[in-house]
Amino acid sequence: AQSVTQLGSHVSVSEGALVLLRCNYSSSVPPYLFWYVQYPNQGLQLLLKYTTGATLVKGINGFEAEFKKSETSFHLTKPSAHMSDAAEYFCAVSSSTGTASKLTFGTGTRLQVTL
Amino acid sequence: ETGVTQTPRHLVMGMTNKKSLKCEQHLGHNAMYWYKQSAKKPLELMFVYNFKEQTENNSVPSRFSPECPNSSHLFLHLHTLQPEDSALYLCASSHRPGRGRGDEQFFGPGTRLTVL
Repeated sequence: AQSVTQLGSHVSVSEGALVLLRCNYSSSVPPYLFWYVQYPNQGLQLLLKYTTGATLVKGINGFEAEFKKSETSFHLTKPSAHMSDAAEYFCAVSSSTGTASKLTFGTGTRLQVTL
Repeated sequence: ETGVTQTPRHLVMGMTNKKSLKCEQHLGHNAMYWYKQSAKKPLELMFVYNFKEQTENNSVPSRFSPECPNSSHLFLHLHTLQPEDSALYLCASSHRPGRGRGDEQFFGPGTRLTVL
C-alpha cells in the first residue's frame, strides 16, 4: 500500500526566502510522485512530477523537487518565495491499477508568505 | 472550454433536496474521478470510472450516486444529504496508465457544496 506524509501543516516564509516543503512516501513499487498546488477556491494544479530518470525535476513557477530513494523523500523547494506562492501544496504517490491512475495524497501544507 | 470543467461552482441545498454535480473533461482522457475535500482532512477518493465503467467505489454512502454516460462526462447525483457532506467536490481525469504519461490527474475547479 502507498502512503504520503507531509511534515508541517503550515509553513511560513518571508518573501524572497527559500521555500522547503517536506514529503516522505511509502510505496511497495517504484513510485511515481507528484506535487500539486491549490489556490483558494480552486482545484488542484500539477506543479511537477517524477516518474523515472533524472531525480531532480523542475516544475512550473520556479519550483523543483528531488527524488531520494534512500530517504523515501520528495521534498519541494523554491529558491525565492513570492507572495503569489501562498497556497496549499499536496504531495501524492501513484499506484496504478492498470485501468486508472490512483493517487494517494498527503494532508497538505499551507504555505504563507509574509513581507 | 479547455481542461476539466465543473458546474455549478457553488451549491446550497437542504437535506431533502435532490441535486446533481456535473463534470466535463476536454482532454481526451479515459478515466474520471470524484474526490471529496473537507477541511482538515486528506483528499478522499470517492469513485473511479474507466471507459464509462465504475472501477472503484470507496464505501461511499448511497446518497451519492455517480453516473458516467461517456468518457467525457461525469455526474454526481445527490439526495437526502447530511450537513457533514458539506465539502468541496473535485472531479479529475487522466489517461489510462501504462502509456508513459505518469499517471497524473487533471482537476476541475470543484463545486463548493453546503448542506443546510
